[in-house]
Amino acid sequence: DIQMTQSPSSLSASVGDRVTITCQASQDISNYLNWYQQKPGKAPKLLIYDVSTLETGVPSRFSGSGSGTHFTFIISSLQPEDIATYYCQQYHNLPTFGQGTKLEIK
Amino acid sequence: EVQLVESGGGLVQPGGSLRLSCAASGFTFSSYNMNWVRQAPGKGLEWISYISYTSGTIYYADSVKGRFTISRDNDRNSLYLQMNNLRAEDTAVYYCARDALVVVGASHFDKWGQGTRVTVSS
Repeated sequence: DIQMTQSPSSLSASVGDRVTITCQASQDISNYLNWYQQKPGKAPKLLIYDVSTLETGVPSRFSGSGSGTHFTFIISSLQPEDIATYYCQQYHNLPTFGQGTKLEIK
Repeated sequence: EVQLVESGGGLVQPGGSLRLSCAASGFTFSSYNMNWVRQAPGKGLEWISYISYTSGTIYYADSVKGRFTISRDNDRNSLYLQMNNLRAEDTAVYYCARDALVVVGASHFDKWGQGTRVTVSS
């Protein structure tokens, strides 16, 4: 299995801050990398697929980059509604998720 | 509007069985590959199974292989997960998730149900 390691596991930031989450794959996954947002008690929501493509309706303050084994997810200006846990997911092989990054407001 | 509605969860004893269902509406179910993803209490997401739109290709995570069986009925717009020999570690919320790509193989999951809770305990 391909292991996905996210960092940090938790993050506290202020409204308006730039937030960066990284995801490291245990082997080269090319561009087969997606990002999801999950709010408490809700189903996950697809934000970004194939590293950097925004899902329809997702605000442009969300972005993604990277290739191979190292990937980055950025919120350019944190909004109160962005409080959630974020997961990366690879699909180079059978899908696996990162352990999640819990984002809180400072 | 695309809707996925899971049902069938509940409390079951270790070693028992349960069958989950996912009713799809608002899209051409027979054209989409589908997945089951679970989330143990307080834990992260775990993909557990995939089925292609024709049921011709099926994948399982090692954690459920040999115990769980995924299936679908395109005439009924429904996805299923038969879970046998359940263990305490199978306790989780189970989500069905639509695969965004029509090519064979799981990719990104663009629509999710609200989940159904399974508790395995004596």
